[in-house]
Amino acid sequence: RKEVEQDPGPFNVPEGATVAFNCTYSNSASQSFFWYRQDCRKEPKLLMSVYSSGNEDGRFTAQLNRPSQYISLLIRDSKLSDSATYLCVGLNNAGNMLTFGGGTRLMVKP
Amino acid sequence: GAVVSQHPSRVICKSGTSVKIECRSLDFQATTMFWYRQFPKQSLMLMATSNEGSKATYEQGVEKDKFLINHASLTLSTLTVTSAHPEDSSFYICSARGSAGTGYEQYFGPGTRLTVT
Repeated sequence: RKEVEQDPGPFNVPEGATVAFNCTYSNSASQSFFWYRQDCRKEPKLLMSVYSSGNEDGRFTAQLNRPSQYISLLIRDSKLSDSATYLCVGLNNAGNMLTFGGGTRLMVKP
Repeated sequence: GAVVSQHPSRVICKSGTSVKIECRSLDFQATTMFWYRQFPKQSLMLMATSNEGSKATYEQGVEKDKFLINHASLTLSTLTVTSAHPEDSSFYICSARGSAGTGYEQYFGPGTRLTVT
């Protein structure tokens, strides 16, 4: 089993919709998680850090479910500009990085 | 803040030659830098982790003699692809992370697109 797994999608949603996707992890020692977005042929950009149960930033909400070992990303009121691939990654308590998940592709359509 | 630059952004080289890619943290001290490779429509693959002043730790399957990493200062790491072959053509991305007190977020450089002919 991979350390970090994501549904590759694509998730096709209409503009204005709310969409959520999960990232599951296998290492129970994982302490911190991050969501990145990556546009085609570009580098990943940090979207949100999750150090405790969750984090919220505008239309974006990340939640961490430790018993079930997954983190979720919720995007409300989707914009066309939200179309991208969303990557998650976790760190264990030694600060060592787990591998990135394969990414979930989101396509927001007019 | 937290800007990482990478140079060159694009390079085309002939098979058998070596290519050096630079990764710089511009406004923070990067105690750890990571090098990734990404093939089209695939996920990021971690190649190696380097801590300033130490030898890099390579992921399984990555040849350390082919991909030379130097992290001589807190703001600069270099990746040299030696004796490049067409199968080394890929998107190489570095990321940098500060010390534990600054959080564990990684900040990525813009990437280097390598084409080996």
